Amino acid sequence: EDQVTQSPEALRLQEGESSSLNCSYTVSGLRGLFWYRQDPGKGPEFLFTLYSAGEEKEKERLKATLTKKESFLHITAPKPEDSATYLCAPQNQAGTALIFGKGTTLSVSS
Amino acid sequence: NAGVTQTPKFQVLKTGQSMTLQCAQDMNHEYMSWYRQDPGMGLRLIHYSVGAGITDQGEVPNGYNVSRSTTEDFPLRLLSAAPSQTSVYFCASSWGRNVGGGYTFGSGTRLTVV
Repeated sequence: EDQVTQSPEALRLQEGESSSLNCSYTVSGLRGLFWYRQDPGKGPEFLFTLYSAGEEKEKERLKATLTKKESFLHITAPKPEDSATYLCAPQNQAGTALIFGKGTTLSVSS
Repeated sequence: NAGVTQTPKFQVLKTGQSMTLQCAQDMNHEYMSWYRQDPGMGLRLIHYSVGAGITDQGEVPNGYNVSRSTTEDFPLRLLSAAPSQTSVYFCASSWGRNVGGGYTFGSGTRLTVV
């Protein structure tokens, strides 16, 4: 059965304090793994797609990495505007669905 | 481009009532899907469509019906609303199965069934 576990559930950081979010997955025949950002009351917003182990993608203060069983979202020197829920979602083998984790809610205070 | 548009944004239904959640995209995407999001749970797939006239069930399809008569529209019908269907519903679309650019999500419909 395809499964996704994100940790921690919640993370509080001071502005400038770097950290990492974890996504552990069990998906047969991974086609791609997606990271999304979701702000309260809004739909998920696409951040990255990763396809193979060893791949890395960067966008501003965010960097996503992928291994065969995990993905990490590294946040370097975060700012309060980075506060959001971050969702990890591998795509199923058939390519018909994203399998979402419960998310990590990040709060960055100044 | 408007992207993915969902209506209504909020809705309150009584148990047993039926309604249709609307979803429209203007990006000529072939793939469209409906997810529901509940507190403490990840987004779960209800139904999806890989093109006009083609639909299939996702993880939690019971109590919902869909059709895809055009590329642009993918409405979700609640046949007889139940309190367990209280949730936030998101529609998403993409070019197809190989989606380097990810799925584009709408802003959601918050549904309460009393």
